[in-house]
Amino acid sequence: QVHLVQSGAEVKKPGASVKVSCKASGYTFTIYYMHWVRQAPGQGLEWMGLINCSGGSTSCAQKFQGRLTMTSDTSTTTVYMELSSLRSEDTAVYYCARARGIYGGTYFDDWGQGTLVTVSS
Amino acid sequence: QSALTQPPSASGSPGQSVTISCTGTSSDVGGYNSVSWYQQHPGKAPKLMIYEVSKRPSGVPDRFSGSKSGNTASLTVSGLQSEDEADYYCSSYAGSNIVVFGGGTKLTVL
Repeated sequence: QVHLVQSGAEVKKPGASVKVSCKASGYTFTIYYMHWVRQAPGQGLEWMGLINCSGGSTSCAQKFQGRLTMTSDTSTTTVYMELSSLRSEDTAVYYCARARGIYGGTYFDDWGQGTLVTVSS
Repeated sequence: QSALTQPPSASGSPGQSVTISCTGTSSDVGGYNSVSWYQQHPGKAPKLMIYEVSKRPSGVPDRFSGSKSGNTASLTVSGLQSEDEADYYCSSYAGSNIVVFGGGTKLTVL
């Protein structure tokens, strides 16, 4: 059974960085891509980016370029998402999601439980 | 990388059918058979309901179906049940390893 377990809630000040982890189990970690999706309070889902869990190559939405870093540790089957230069608009629940389908993955069949990141002075 | 367009709300009575639309462009919805739909209940993670336009994961009731015509995809929920009340999001592959979501539709079962 696939499990994606994320790290706990974070409170950060504007300008700081946050790093969220997503521990995967129950499947062969290296043959799937992992994506990150966020949801601001009361808002919709927003795709952030993806990482190839085997090779570590990444792709991200234009609005996060330069601020978003995604890494993969195959020894612990964990992916990480680090967002820098935080502002209040980055307050959201951040989800990791395992991707299936062609290219780097086009749909998400399993999701983490979400990590609330609050940015406040 | 603009968001796909969904109606903010939809509703139907128990037993009825409701269809939610998802409009994109030829660069996303119209260009790939890679539209998926997610159901999200309050405080929960999204759940995959439809993938690759019309395929249902195991465990998803066949009351849920998907289709696509041109740049618009649709999710139809037949035989509405109270537990179908949730937010629904479409997403599409948009080329170059980019995925885009719709703004979401709140489905109310009257």
